[in-house]
Amino acid sequence: KQEVTQIPAALSVPEGENLVLNCSFTDSAIYNLQWFRQDPGKGLTSLLLIQSSQREQTSGRLNASLDKSSGRSTLYIAASQPGDSATYLCAGTSGGSYIPTFGRGTSLIVHP
Amino acid sequence: DVKVTQSSRYLVKRTGEKVFLECVQDMDHENMFWYRQDPGLGLRLIYFSYDVKMKEKGDIPEGYSVSREKKERFSLILESASTNQTSMYLCASSLPNSYGYTFGSGTRLTVV
Repeated sequence: KQEVTQIPAALSVPEGENLVLNCSFTDSAIYNLQWFRQDPGKGLTSLLLIQSSQREQTSGRLNASLDKSSGRSTLYIAASQPGDSATYLCAGTSGGSYIPTFGRGTSLIVHP
Repeated sequence: DVKVTQSSRYLVKRTGEKVFLECVQDMDHENMFWYRQDPGLGLRLIYFSYDVKMKEKGDIPEGYSVSREKKERFSLILESASTNQTSMYLCASSLPNSYGYTFGSGTRLTVV
């Protein structure tokens, strides 16, 4: 069964810093990996989706990569801003299943 | 813009009441999901459905049931609400090939 781990659980950085959030998964037969953002008390907003045939996806200041051989995905946030403060979750779906496995998330605070 | 809409943002119900949480998607997605999210426990899958009138138990189905009479609507039912069902409830949908998941904005349910 797929297991997804996100480290660290919490992160606090000054504004303007480039940062990397990590997501590890156990099943290399991953079909896709999706990154979400969640603001307090709100639902999940999809940020980036990487299919197994892809290595990375980019949207604005965000870049997500997928390395199936090492069981890792990273979300890179360039020039962080206070508005980036939120919890970031990754979810992996293994081949043959349409049920995603979620990590517990990384709570990010970007302070001015 | 495609959407998953949850009918209520906040609900307060009394112990023993029958509670209906509604979720509607406008993307013609086959798969629909209900999760609950609690601090320290992450997202836990309650039920999912891969077609009209079809349903499958997730990890924590006890105390819940679901209904899917139309493709766009997936309802979560708490047969007799209890205080331990106080939580954030999230609905999601996806295509059969799991090409990413779209979440609703969540329903914060408090059972008193």
